[in-house]
Amino acid sequence: GENVEQHPSTLSVQEGDSAVIKCTYSDSASNYFPWYKQELGKGPQLIIDIRSNVGEKKDQRIAVTLNKTAKHFSLHITETQPEDSAVYFCAASSGVTGGGNKLTFGTGTQLKVEL
Amino acid sequence: EAGVVQSPRYKIIEKKQPVAFWCNPISGHNTLYWYRQNLGQGPELLIRYENEEAVDDSQLPKDRFSAERLKGVDSTLKIQPAELGDSAVYLCASSPGAVYNEQFFGPGTRLTVL
Repeated sequence: GENVEQHPSTLSVQEGDSAVIKCTYSDSASNYFPWYKQELGKGPQLIIDIRSNVGEKKDQRIAVTLNKTAKHFSLHITETQPEDSAVYFCAASSGVTGGGNKLTFGTGTQLKVEL
Repeated sequence: EAGVVQSPRYKIIEKKQPVAFWCNPISGHNTLYWYRQNLGQGPELLIRYENEEAVDDSQLPKDRFSAERLKGVDSTLKIQPAELGDSAVYLCASSPGAVYNEQFFGPGTRLTVL
């Protein structure tokens, strides 16, 4: 089955700096890569996703890059703000028949944005 | 639009006791997922439903876990009997059903087994 590794496990940045979180996956059939943000006491919330036919996607201060050859993808947050502090999870999926998708999550990165 | 609703939010039980979690997905979402999230880890899929059919339960410990989704709407996940290692957050998610669609997560139920 799929295996997703995520680094670093914790990341501390100064407000306004950039943050980068990296993930690798094992299943070459995976073709959908979402990123989720989880705040304390809440469920994960999708912040951005990318599909295998795209190398990069950007949404305001958040961007994701995908290298299918190397089987890795990264989340980039620019101009970090205190409200970006949370746990971020990457995930990978190859899609499943009948609808939906089977996500395998990384172990998470605790991001702390310091004033 | 209301999000995914889960109850209870917290549950503390003694080991060997039964426990049940309830989930109401977003209206119109055909696909429903139950995940378990251990402390400091990412969510791990337990079971996936397409309408009322469990289409992937390969990671559900069937000796003690059971789930149902009657009428293809809300769902219940049960553990009987609970073990110490079952302490975790149990998350429910739903999606419209098409491949690649976003999964919307509920707030989860935090289970503590003493």
